[in-house]
Amino acid sequence: EVQLVESGGGLAQPGGSLRLSCAASGFTFSNYWINWVRQAPGKGLEWVANINEDGSEEYYVESVKGRFTISRDNAQTSSDLQMDSLRVEDSGVYYCARGTIRVPGADFWGQGALVTVSS
Amino acid sequence: QIVVTQEPSLTVSPGGTVTLTCASSTGEVTSGYFPNWFQQKPGQAPRALIYATRNKHSWTPARFSGSLLGDKAALTLSGVQPEDEAHYYCLVFYAGVPVFGGGTKLTVL
Repeated sequence: EVQLVESGGGLAQPGGSLRLSCAASGFTFSNYWINWVRQAPGKGLEWVANINEDGSEEYYVESVKGRFTISRDNAQTSSDLQMDSLRVEDSGVYYCARGTIRVPGADFWGQGALVTVSS
Repeated sequence: QIVVTQEPSLTVSPGGTVTLTCASSTGEVTSGYFPNWFQQKPGQAPRALIYATRNKHSWTPARFSGSLLGDKAALTLSGVQPEDEAHYYCLVFYAGVPVFGGGTKLTVL
C-alpha cells in the first residue's frame, strides 16, 4: 500500500524556519518525482516545489524561490522541504504527493502537515 | 503570471451530468499540458482522478471522464452521486511547471 506521511508542521514566527518531512512507503521511492503542494486556509491548491527521481533537478514556484529547499533521501525513502524566511502567507496545509510515473501528474497524496506563520 | 481558470461553483442534480472546465491564460489547453483532475472533500487530502487529459487511475469511478473541449480541458461527471459533492481542481503543466486552477465547488442538489 502506497503511503506518504508528512511531519514537522507547527507554529513559526515570520522570518523563522520549519522543516517538513515526507516519509514514503509501499513503492520504489527512487522511481518517482516528489511534489510539495500547499493550501492556505479556505483557499485552493498551490504547487510549491518538486524534485526528480535522483534529486538532480529541483523546481519551485516563484514565491518561494530562494527561501524553500526541497531534498530527498532515496535510501531513507523520504523527502524534506526546508522552509526559511517564512512569511504569514506561507501558512497552510502542506501536502507531499508522488509524481505520476512517465507523465506529469500527482497520484498519491499524504494527509498534510499544518504550518502556521504568526507573531 | 500564468492563470488557470475554473468555474467557481456548479450545481447538479443527483443522476445528472455536469462538465467542469479548465482554461489557460496562455490560450488553448492541449494534451501537451497533461491536464490532471483532483477531487477534494472537506478536511481531506486531494484525491487524483484523471491524468494526462483522459487517463483514469485504478480507483477512479467510471462516471468520471476527462477530455479536451474547445480550447479547455474538461472533467465530465455522468450519473452524479451525492458523494460527488466536493471541490475539483485541475492541474496543468507549462514546460513541466505545474499550475493549479482555482477550483470548482460542485454542489449536488
